[in-house]
Order: sequence, then C-alpha cells, then structure tokens
Amino acid sequence: QSVLTQPPSVSAAPGQKVTISCSGISSNVGNNYVSWYQQLPGTAPKLLIYENNKRPSGIPDRFSGSRSGTSATLGITGLQTGDEADYYCGTWDSSLSAGCVFGGGTKLTVL
Amino acid sequence: QVQLQESGPGLVRPSETLSLTCTVSGGSISNYYWSWIRQPPGKGLEWIGYIYHRGNTNYNPSLKSRVTISVDTSKNQFSLKVTSMTAADTAIYYCARHVRGYCSGTSCYSHYFDYWGQGTLVTVSS
Repeated sequence: QSVLTQPPSVSAAPGQKVTISCSGISSNVGNNYVSWYQQLPGTAPKLLIYENNKRPSGIPDRFSGSRSGTSATLGITGLQTGDEADYYCGTWDSSLSAGCVFGGGTKLTVL
Repeated sequence: QVQLQESGPGLVRPSETLSLTCTVSGGSISNYYWSWIRQPPGKGLEWIGYIYHRGNTNYNPSLKSRVTISVDTSKNQFSLKVTSMTAADTAIYYCARHVRGYCSGTSCYSHYFDYWGQGTLVTVSS
C-alpha cells in the first residue's frame, strides 16, 4: 500500500492529452513539493518534474505538473507511443514517520 | 554528466546481509545527498534512506532497524547494508542523487532524485 494514491492505469490516443493524479495528505503533498518520474520498460526511473511544476533540462514542455491542496497532477500533451511507461509521483512526508514517499505508479498506454 | 553504477551480489541467502555499493562518476560525491531506492519486481518504488557526504543519514522508518548507509568520499562511493534479508527484500535496488531544497532549519520541503543508477536485481533465495 503506497502512501500516495495514483490511478493504476490511464490511456489515450496518440496526439491527445492525458492527466495523472497523485493524492496525499497535508503532511506530504499538502506541505511539500512533488516530483514526477517516468519509468520506461526495463529502465531506471527518470526525473520529469520537480518542485511541482519545474522541468529538468531536456524534458519537453509537453510534460507539465501542478499541485493544488493535497493533490498533484502530471499532464502530458501531444501523446507519443514513446510515452508508454509507468509514472510515479514522489514527495517528502513530514509526519512522525518522516521520509520520502512515492505513489504506486500509473501505467500509461498510448492506444 | 553524473553517472551512478550499483554493484554487488545478485543473490543473497535468507537471513544474510546484503551489501551494495554505488560508484559516482562525472562529478563529486561531496556537497550532495545520496539515496538508495528499491523496487520489487512488478511493484512500485520504496525509498530506503539517504546519506550526506559528511555522513549524516536518514532512513525509512520501516527499514531503519536493518539498514546502514555509509559513504567513502575518497572513492566517490556510497554503500548500503541490509541485514536479515528475506524474500520480501527481493527487488531492483537503485542508487540516486537526492536533491533537497527549500530548507528552513532542519526541515526541507523539496526532495527529488535527479540522477539514477541503472539498478541491480537482488534475489533472496536459498
């Protein structure tokens, strides 16, 4: 059972837009910055978004992030077949059990 | 370009101790935090803990009693030890550079992992 809640799967057609949600509580998403990771099959996770909405160098602006309250959202526009991957959100949890926490991951299928 | 490479045994017997090393190249291990993260086959990510180049550590409370992370700045390496391994510890183990930001006192509100190793599969089996 992951601390952050993500939908197990989402799908959309090439060229379309998709959003992936990440739900938490005040001690994690509500008061700490969220990051997003893309994990292509058989590879290590790759940083997509950090501090809610910032993109590392080299990440196209088709990828965007936002946070509102205790939920965060990853948006991907202009879907490509190469975007098929697992996506994870992560943040810090400031509760008594402090530490980095992740969502359970969302499998994106580009139909 | 910073690169990380995990090394260690691919098979560990139940009850034994796992030892992994992460070698950092293309940059210094100094002035950064470094984490271990694992992923059971077909499942999600679990943060194990981090270490600063000066040796300060922070561990996942659920693993704290069995985990030790250490650093060797002279070799640009940091290491992970997990004791009393069981089948539930079978996973791909990743090392990653851990960025902390927006800090106030001892609390930081931004944590993310910007460089990752390729991962190493560790199987616990007799």
